[in-house]
Amino acid sequence: NAGVTQTPKFRVLKTGQSMTLLCAQDMNHEYMYWYRQDPGMGLRLIHYSVGEGTTAKGEVPDGYNVSRLKKQNFLLGLESAAPSQTSVYFCASRPQRSSGNTIYFGEGSWLTVV
Amino acid sequence: ELKVEQNPLFLSMQEGKNYTIYCNYSTTSDRLYWYRQDPGKSLESLFVLLSNGAVKQEGRLMASLDTKARLSTLHITAAVHDLSATYFCAVVVNSGYALNFGKGTSLLVTP
Repeated sequence: NAGVTQTPKFRVLKTGQSMTLLCAQDMNHEYMYWYRQDPGMGLRLIHYSVGEGTTAKGEVPDGYNVSRLKKQNFLLGLESAAPSQTSVYFCASRPQRSSGNTIYFGEGSWLTVV
Repeated sequence: ELKVEQNPLFLSMQEGKNYTIYCNYSTTSDRLYWYRQDPGKSLESLFVLLSNGAVKQEGRLMASLDTKARLSTLHITAAVHDLSATYFCAVVVNSGYALNFGKGTSLLVTP
């Protein structure tokens, strides 16, 4: 049981380049989330999904897009990377509210934009 | 907008001492989480508090929740060096039942 897997774990981008972060979970969870973590800021919600084919904006969505074409995958895209997007990105998933309270986090993806 | 405030943000304490981390939140929520994060690592779930008056303990850590005061505490008893880490509280919001995090408390336990 792999849980929540993020790829890649490390990436360096040049300003203006695009990339996609992949989050995969094997627990059949309905809800999936993308957060970013910056020093002294805690974790801030970028986008989330409450089911296959649905996405919604979180607290800091600008500059990011997401897709959830398959239930097990939640993709985070940066169309034109900026230095302000240098951060650690965490994906998380959880079952439906009635099915449990545990929220599972991936190991993180370290992104540097130069 | 839900705000989650932790204090202190930085805490240096001696081994063997007791201390409490506080987590205040601004709107009603029915569940609160505590996480631990070591440098360069992901978040480790410590406690999930689901109701007013809930208290949970694991080793030297004890967490409590007062939903009326919108306050949770994480109490550290007889601190040891292995407890050095950053501790986050997080509150569930209605939007997709996502977590809204505090800024974290960076704890350093010294001999």
